[in-house]
Amino acid sequence: KAGVTQTPRYLIKTRGQQVTLSCSPISGHRSVSWYQQTPGQGLQFLFEYFSETQRNKGNFPGRFSGRQFSNSRSEMNVSTLELGDSALYLCASSLVSRTDTQYFGPGTRLTVL
Amino acid sequence: AQSVSQHNHHVILSEAASLELGCNYSYGGTVNLFWYVQYPGQHLQLLLKYFSGDPLVKGIKGFEAEFIKSKFSFNLRKPSVQWSDTAEYFCAVNPNQAGTALIFGKGTTLSVSS
Repeated sequence: KAGVTQTPRYLIKTRGQQVTLSCSPISGHRSVSWYQQTPGQGLQFLFEYFSETQRNKGNFPGRFSGRQFSNSRSEMNVSTLELGDSALYLCASSLVSRTDTQYFGPGTRLTVL
Repeated sequence: AQSVSQHNHHVILSEAASLELGCNYSYGGTVNLFWYVQYPGQHLQLLLKYFSGDPLVKGIKGFEAEFIKSKFSFNLRKPSVQWSDTAEYFCAVNPNQAGTALIFGKGTTLSVSS
């Protein structure tokens, strides 16, 4: 079974631009969560989507948004990029509930110049 | 503030030494507990998890963890480490009120010398 895939793997943007990251979950998984990983703050939860609806949201500004499609693939968008948005963005998929294991993808490395 | 604390930032051991990594959390109520590992150049992967029942849980590669509710702790152990255990280890908590969100500790880097 193929794992979680994320595209692109690396991205360089400048301040003020916007970016869209993509995540394809493991086949059959309906929940997709996004995390931001930085050296200073570690891994922080961004949001979770289930059946095309945002089910849970972390403590990030409204510039961070996401969506999920009917095939469970998910995208996250960051508008008006800031230098501090430079991070590794991880996607995780799971079957349905909080007792299901979350499987992580390789991440997208975003650098904001 | 509610948080997950990993006591050791960097641990250095020789092969065959025993390992214990500390993890404490400050969430009340029901929590699910996890240890994830990230080997160099690889994805985060699950080592073990605790939802309920026996507080001593066994995971992959000989790792185990003990949930002590009174101490809000979920420490990771391995009796004898190998060079291949060199990795970053993350403790994560899923509080009942957080849906499926995982709240991670800052991680512990383990370096094992052969």
